[in-house]
Amino acid sequence: GQQLNQSPQSMFIQEGEDVSMNCTSSSIFNTWLWYKQEPGEGPVLLIALYKAGELTSNGRLTAQFGITRKDSFLNISASIPSDVGIYFCAGQKGSQGNLIFGKGTKLSVKP
Amino acid sequence: DSGVTQTPKHLITATGQRVTLRCSPRSGDLSVYWYQQSLDQGLQFLIQYYNGEERAKGNILERFSAQQFPDLHSELNLSSLELGDSALYFCASSATIGVAPKSGSSYNEQFFGPGTRLTVL
Repeated sequence: GQQLNQSPQSMFIQEGEDVSMNCTSSSIFNTWLWYKQEPGEGPVLLIALYKAGELTSNGRLTAQFGITRKDSFLNISASIPSDVGIYFCAGQKGSQGNLIFGKGTKLSVKP
Repeated sequence: DSGVTQTPKHLITATGQRVTLRCSPRSGDLSVYWYQQSLDQGLQFLIQYYNGEERAKGNILERFSAQQFPDLHSELNLSSLELGDSALYFCASSATIGVAPKSGSSYNEQFFGPGTRLTVL
């Protein structure tokens, strides 16, 4: 099935560093979402973007919906150990449609 | 806690067998989605139900089927199981369309359950 190209695949960073990850697609999406998944849990929504060019923050997280509607990025500032997990981007074409996921970015934070 | 419950949490079975995974959506949510998460394929959409009716189908095998009952809970049935069916199966639910405050666009947020880990031996 269709998937989004998410990079990097994994990141090992020091506590306090900033993190950046992105997602690209060959097709247009109406909605871009960023989820975080921790071991033994389902994905949890972090940020949702509904408009091309939109820049949205949620605490230390900032995400942008690309102008072309084919990409999105997520930044995490001043990382802390509890940021550890797998971050997924997801695109949605219709307002009630299924989500198409990237393969995830595994984030490890060294105290 | 997302409010979506899934049972069982773990399931171990043998090839050729049939299993049923159960999902209870958040109170009031009419849509239920099933996703499969495997190491090589990532999270893949399987099927969506809305108020008891099938709404959309993704990469769901013919050996798999689902239904949504009048009380809105859903079941995913997997039959003639193969080793490659071992994966995490997630259910998500969403409400009817809302309106994003910033952009005014319509949207629905999907809330994921904790998943069922299926191991086929």
